[in-house]
Amino acid sequence: DGGITQSPKYLFRKEGQNVTLSCEQNLNHDAMYWYRQDPGQGLRLIYYSQIVNDFQKGDIAEGYSVSREKKESFPLTVTSAQKNPTAFYLCASSLSGTGAYEQYFGPGTRLTVT
Amino acid sequence: KNQVEQSPQSLIILEGKNCTLQCNYTVSPFSNLRWYKQDTGRGPVSLTIMTFSENTKSNGRYTATLDADTKQSSLHITASQLSDSASYICVVSANTGGFKTIFGAGTRLFVKA
Repeated sequence: DGGITQSPKYLFRKEGQNVTLSCEQNLNHDAMYWYRQDPGQGLRLIYYSQIVNDFQKGDIAEGYSVSREKKESFPLTVTSAQKNPTAFYLCASSLSGTGAYEQYFGPGTRLTVT
Repeated sequence: KNQVEQSPQSLIILEGKNCTLQCNYTVSPFSNLRWYKQDTGRGPVSLTIMTFSENTKSNGRYTATLDADTKQSSLHITASQLSDSASYICVVSANTGGFKTIFGAGTRLFVKA
């Protein structure tokens, strides 16, 4: 059963704590992405990776970090430096990272920081 | 500046009625345009994709159009169903050799019985 999975679906953290969101895909895709979605706004790109061991900052990378040690995994860490971390986080993957291929999205993780 | 604007922001229609959602973009150079459907609390799912040379693409009751000259696209939903209640997102990619994909804010559609 191919697809992209994110866990957990809901996550609660206290302010000042780092938290890591999981994203796994078994589609054999080279490219993976992390987006943040806030009410009434379009998806905003946090980080993307076009290939293993390489990743690039997106439009809103401050306060976030990623790693891409394996092709199938692209975890996102929300650090205490992120000023407003409460949001819906979406992970996606595509065959390659040029924009020519469809992005497949995971079910998302809703993070609440209090 | 690369932008994707969608209208209306939200829409309420009765079950069985048709509706049309709009997307205007300034992304350049244009590569492709996709419409995604996003159910509440879920990840978006692709409905259609169109490249520069295509001006119509259908997927069941969903029909997307593209006018590359005016940089406009529309998504027409025929005979709406309650399950069509969702956000519809227009996504435009630029052909820059690297990754440049811009997401619209979406149109929130509510289908009422």
